[in-house]
Amino acid sequence: DGGITQSPKYLFRKEGQNVTLSCEQNLNHDAMYWYRQDPGQGLRLIYYSQIVNDFQKGDIAEGYSVSREKKESFPLTVTSAQKNPTAFYLCASSIGLAGGLAKNIQYFGAGTRLSVL
Amino acid sequence: KQEVTQIPAALSVPEGENLVLNCSFTDSAIYNLQWFRQDPGKGLTSLLLIQSSQREQTSGRLNASLDKSSGRSTLYIAASQPGDSATYLCAVLTSGTYKYIFGTGTRLKVLA
Repeated sequence: DGGITQSPKYLFRKEGQNVTLSCEQNLNHDAMYWYRQDPGQGLRLIYYSQIVNDFQKGDIAEGYSVSREKKESFPLTVTSAQKNPTAFYLCASSIGLAGGLAKNIQYFGAGTRLSVL
Repeated sequence: KQEVTQIPAALSVPEGENLVLNCSFTDSAIYNLQWFRQDPGKGLTSLLLIQSSQREQTSGRLNASLDKSSGRSTLYIAASQPGDSATYLCAVLTSGTYKYIFGTGTRLKVLA
């Protein structure tokens, strides 16, 4: 089945700890995105990548880091510098520039819920 | 800076009713607008995408329209069913960026 897989579904972080959220896609998409969703709020963009080995900060990148070493993978690390990490994290992908931006449909994974112990 | 607003924040209707969800955006220079459905604790499911050159898109009981000049989109749901209960979000891709801006969503409850 084609799609986006996020793991784990639930994650707990201890104070001072870095944790990494996994996002893998087999849609052959160039573009990948990480969002944070808090209760009652819309999705806020953390980082995005249009191509392998390149990524850009979104609106709330502080305390997070990413890498894009492979086309199909875009892991997100929540560092100890992120003081309020409790949220629902969503990964998405789209075909990217090659498909024409007007036609770019975003597809989402099932999400990872991160809590602080 | 692009801002996306969805009104109302919550809506409760009896089964069978036709309903309209609203999405407003402040910058009309967009590549596209996308409507999503989100069930509690789940990811987003894409419903419809309207390209900037299009006026509307239809899929089954769903119809989405786009009026760039007024910065508005509507999602029309015909003959609503309890299974339509979910949060509906819209997102715009602003020209000159690769960033989608999301509204805060409308939480819909269809009563049997």
